[in-house]
Amino acid sequence: AQSVTQLGSHVSVSEGALVLLRCNYSSSVPPYLFWYVQYPNQGLQLLLKYTSAATLVKGINGFEAEFKKSETSFHLTKPSAHMSDAAEYFCAVSGTGANNLFFGTGTRLTVIP
Amino acid sequence: GAGVSQSPSNKVTEKGKDVELRCDPISGHTALYWYRQSLGQGLEFLIYFQGNSAPDKSGLPSDRFSAERTGGSVSTLTIQRTQQEDSAVYLCASSLLAGGQTGELFFGEGSRLTVL
Repeated sequence: AQSVTQLGSHVSVSEGALVLLRCNYSSSVPPYLFWYVQYPNQGLQLLLKYTSAATLVKGINGFEAEFKKSETSFHLTKPSAHMSDAAEYFCAVSGTGANNLFFGTGTRLTVIP
Repeated sequence: GAGVSQSPSNKVTEKGKDVELRCDPISGHTALYWYRQSLGQGLEFLIYFQGNSAPDKSGLPSDRFSAERTGGSVSTLTIQRTQQEDSAVYLCASSLLAGGQTGELFFGEGSRLTVL
């Protein structure tokens, strides 16, 4: 079985500050891990994914995430927040051969000018 | 169309009525998913279709919920005898292959259901 926990339902950062959104996973098989972003009144779109290749994954809009097996974590970071990054971010997990993604409860990111 | 299309975008109904939500996936995508997004609850998996295989219905919360996918393309999610707790945004997603293996699900903008 797979699941993810996102710590912090709301995160606020100043424009230009570091963004750190936390995700911890649980999986009985080697996991695939994903971050999705949802802008207001839109569907989710894939930001980046880890599928057992490089542990540091780079995505769109300057975001990246690092897979740390020892910590069962896949935190999302961005060095400098932009106003346009304000959105809801979802971490998701699946297992090798699995058909389904299991999503976390989401973290709403607010960027303060 | 270029993306996943869902209709209606908004639906207000009275408790006890039936509703149908429609999803048009991206052409050629064999996998189709329905999720429910409730405030503070994240995305809840409902049902998964893959090609002509029997659907994975393990996420449907009760027998009031059902879904079908005709001709391997358009899908309809039906909720019978709606209850207030059914109020949520229902998201449809499609994927070229089994989404769990690639993670590349393409989502529609959702159907917001309000049950009065």
